[in-house]
Amino acid sequence: GAGVSQSPSNKVTEKGKDVELRCDPISGHTALYWYRQRLGQGLEFLIYFQGNSAPDKSGLPSDRFSAERTGESVSTLTIQRTQQEDSAVYLCASSSFLGSYNEQFFGPGTRLTVL
Amino acid sequence: QKEVEQNSGPLSVPEGAIASLNCTYSDRGSQSFFWYRQYSGKSPELIMFIYSNGDKEDGRFTAQLNKASQYVSLLIRDSQPSDSATYLCAVSRSGGSNYKLTFGKGTLLTVNP
Repeated sequence: GAGVSQSPSNKVTEKGKDVELRCDPISGHTALYWYRQRLGQGLEFLIYFQGNSAPDKSGLPSDRFSAERTGESVSTLTIQRTQQEDSAVYLCASSSFLGSYNEQFFGPGTRLTVL
Repeated sequence: QKEVEQNSGPLSVPEGAIASLNCTYSDRGSQSFFWYRQYSGKSPELIMFIYSNGDKEDGRFTAQLNKASQYVSLLIRDSQPSDSATYLCAVSRSGGSNYKLTFGKGTLLTVNP
């Protein structure tokens, strides 16, 4: 596809359940980022993947959050034992690693609602 | 102190006026500065980036950076109703944008026809 895609677009789950969110970056983009946006707030960095380097997990809010990425392709963000405060829009972005400037292109997001 | 601060607004301007959006940041190691536009219910899209002190113009948009004052702004000339959106300021420590961005909460801009 031409842009970053994410699925599902909406997810409603019950407190305590696990959820898995998927991101397909733009083909050829080596860098992939996950952000979270709570209602009325700015974007909050979660995790960053760059090629085969160790990911930067410094933004993950708790050990209930984890993410994986295989090579330079799809990434999944997993939230275990979801809590109501996890309700937010989860945004994925990707960028290329070429040149001095690399724009981060965002996907449409997954809106997660924890009841 | 929040890392990136913006007035939440709403900022309301009449069509054709200049809209001025401001942002301050606390990390003196910040090297790259970005303005994203986010329409309601949509994902952010990059409209301007700036690395060096001074002004950078792109069409109706001008970004201004003052690293000594830790201040970055966005001016929108000849504002149009289609410019109505939330504008997010973001900063990065790296030289390029290929690293995590720290965002402000955004300023809601409304351009009245």
